[in-house]
Amino acid sequence: DIQMTQSPSSMSVSLGDTVTITCRASQDVGIYVNWFQQKPGKSPRRMIYRATNLADGVPSRFSGSRSGSDYSLTISSLESEDVADYHCLQYDEYPYTFGAGTKLELK
Amino acid sequence: QVNLLQSGAALVKPGASVKLSCKASGYTFTDYYIHWVKQSHGKSLEWIGYINPNSGYTNYNEKFKSKATLTVDKSTNTAYMELSRLTSEDSATYYCTRNWAFDYWGQGVMVTVSS
Repeated sequence: DIQMTQSPSSMSVSLGDTVTITCRASQDVGIYVNWFQQKPGKSPRRMIYRATNLADGVPSRFSGSRSGSDYSLTISSLESEDVADYHCLQYDEYPYTFGAGTKLELK
Repeated sequence: QVNLLQSGAALVKPGASVKLSCKASGYTFTDYYIHWVKQSHGKSLEWIGYINPNSGYTNYNEKFKSKATLTVDKSTNTAYMELSRLTSEDSATYYCTRNWAFDYWGQGVMVTVSS
């Protein structure tokens, strides 16, 4: 199975920060990486698809990038509503696999 | 608007089975696969498998092959996942989601396995 190694597992952040979360794929997954935001008691919400594409309705302060096998989600100028858990997913190969998640907490 | 409505929370005894439902609306049910995802302890997500509502073809994560059975009822636009021989390890929240893109999700259903 493809491992998605996500870092950091948690992050203490301040409003206005630029935040970057990374997933490293254990083998080539091409562009087939999504990022999800999840708030307590809610379903995941797709934020980025195919590594770099902003999903409908997602604020432009969110962006996705790829460098080799490293995939990153960046939040520019963090707002309070962005404090949540974030998950990456590879869907290049079955079984699809998720990263372990990153929890953003306010300082 | 696309909506995936899941059945309510379930409390089940060890060794029993439970059948979860996911009713789709707002789109042509047979045009998109339905995937199921497990979330334990509110953190990590695991892909269980998918079903093609048009053909009934299924693809499972090897880890869940003997645990989960996916079916659909095209007449009611509903996908089902039956979990069998439940143990405490199966206590989790289960989500249905649409398509390879995981663009729409159900609200999740919490399954608690306890005697």
